[in-house]
Amino acid sequence: AQSVTQLDSQVPVFEEAPVELRCNYSSSVSVYLFWYVQYPNQGLQLLLKYLSGSTLVKGINGFEAEFNKSQTSFHLRKPSVHISDTAEYFCAVSDRETSGSRLTFGEGTQLTVNP
Amino acid sequence: GAVVSQHPSRVICKSGTSVKIECRSLDFQATTMFWYRQFPKQSLMLMATSNEGSKATYEQGVEKDKFLINHASLTLSTLTVTSAHPEDSSFYICSADGAVTEAFFGQGTRLTVV
Repeated sequence: AQSVTQLDSQVPVFEEAPVELRCNYSSSVSVYLFWYVQYPNQGLQLLLKYLSGSTLVKGINGFEAEFNKSQTSFHLRKPSVHISDTAEYFCAVSDRETSGSRLTFGEGTQLTVNP
Repeated sequence: GAVVSQHPSRVICKSGTSVKIECRSLDFQATTMFWYRQFPKQSLMLMATSNEGSKATYEQGVEKDKFLINHASLTLSTLTVTSAHPEDSSFYICSADGAVTEAFFGQGTRLTVV
């Protein structure tokens, strides 16, 4: 079984400031890692995913994340945020071996970008 | 990218009635689809895994007789909330297993039971 912990439930930042959304996971097996964004009353959009290879993953909208196996973390970063980045962000994992795209989600982080 | 269409986006129903939510993969075939439930300001909780041509697999604590899942074709899975009550009001989201490494999500359905 896997679990995901997003360390911050809310992150307020000012426009053009850098941001980091933290995610730690726990699993007894190898996992794939994902970050999704959700706008109000909408489904989820994939920002980026880590499957293998380089631990620094670049995604859409200027986001990137770094996989740290020793710390079991997958923190999401953006060097300069925009008002339009205001949304809920979810970190998720899936079991490499058996679960396919069956995802376990963290609790979510509400990113609010203020002018 | 692959597109998953979920319908309706919003539905209001009276207590005691049933509501059907459809999840369609528009440009790919999905042998497996997943149904999630999301309460306000909370995360997505997996309710069940829907497999084409076979019975759905429900997560612990999810009433299979209340949340009926049918996956009759490779492009359509349906979730029927039977005898809905106000506590069933929630945001329901489906995803389709397009590849081992990625799930594609529908737009979600906001169910309000009055």
